[in-house]
Amino acid sequence: GAVVSQHPSWVICKSGTSVKIECRSLDFQATTMFWYRQFPKQSLMLMATSNEGSKATYEQGVEKDKFLINHASLTLSTLTVTSAHPEDSSFYICSASGWWPGETQYFGPGTRLLVL
Amino acid sequence: GDSVTQMEGPVTLSEEAFLTINCTYTATGYPSLFWYVQYPGEGLQLLLKATKADDKGSNKGFEATYRKETTSFHLEKGSVQVSDSAVYFCALPAQNSGGSNYKLTFGKGTLLTVNP
Repeated sequence: GAVVSQHPSWVICKSGTSVKIECRSLDFQATTMFWYRQFPKQSLMLMATSNEGSKATYEQGVEKDKFLINHASLTLSTLTVTSAHPEDSSFYICSASGWWPGETQYFGPGTRLLVL
Repeated sequence: GDSVTQMEGPVTLSEEAFLTINCTYTATGYPSLFWYVQYPGEGLQLLLKATKADDKGSNKGFEATYRKETTSFHLEKGSVQVSDSAVYFCALPAQNSGGSNYKLTFGKGTLLTVNP
């Protein structure tokens, strides 16, 4: 299957700083990338959907100014958590797919963020 | 809207026992259906999928049949191993908030623990 990588795999930062997480599709061109957040022992919560070259679509309740998403190419999307606070600590997972609804989403290994 | 309802568990089995994790769906039309698996500390991996009614997805000894008449996609394995211990998610595609893409709607996940 297709491979999606995330970097970094984990990060610890101070409150008030910004953190950038990269998501790359290594062996296919991803028209669409998704960013999820997962709390311990819970399901994934979709934060936003991004299409290459256009603005991301955020789910209701997700602050677009706090979680900046850029999808500059067909193989790279970035999520920047701006002015991070302890409540932003979570497991962030990206996925990538084509545009067709039946297409499989391929997930990255996740990035664990801890804000002190 | 489209949704999946999944047996929440947790499920604890002995090695070589038979596994069933129930998943039922509500959808307009006949979407593709997916099972994803998440091992501890990792992102999600596609386990299997089915794209139309009566299709059977299979992988690593796991099977699930897309049953239109019962709107179900139950996951089964005849003989589980300790290495199958993970969280299993049932999912189907649904339109995202912007209406321009299809996100995955996940069930709440079922934690499976297999003891030696």
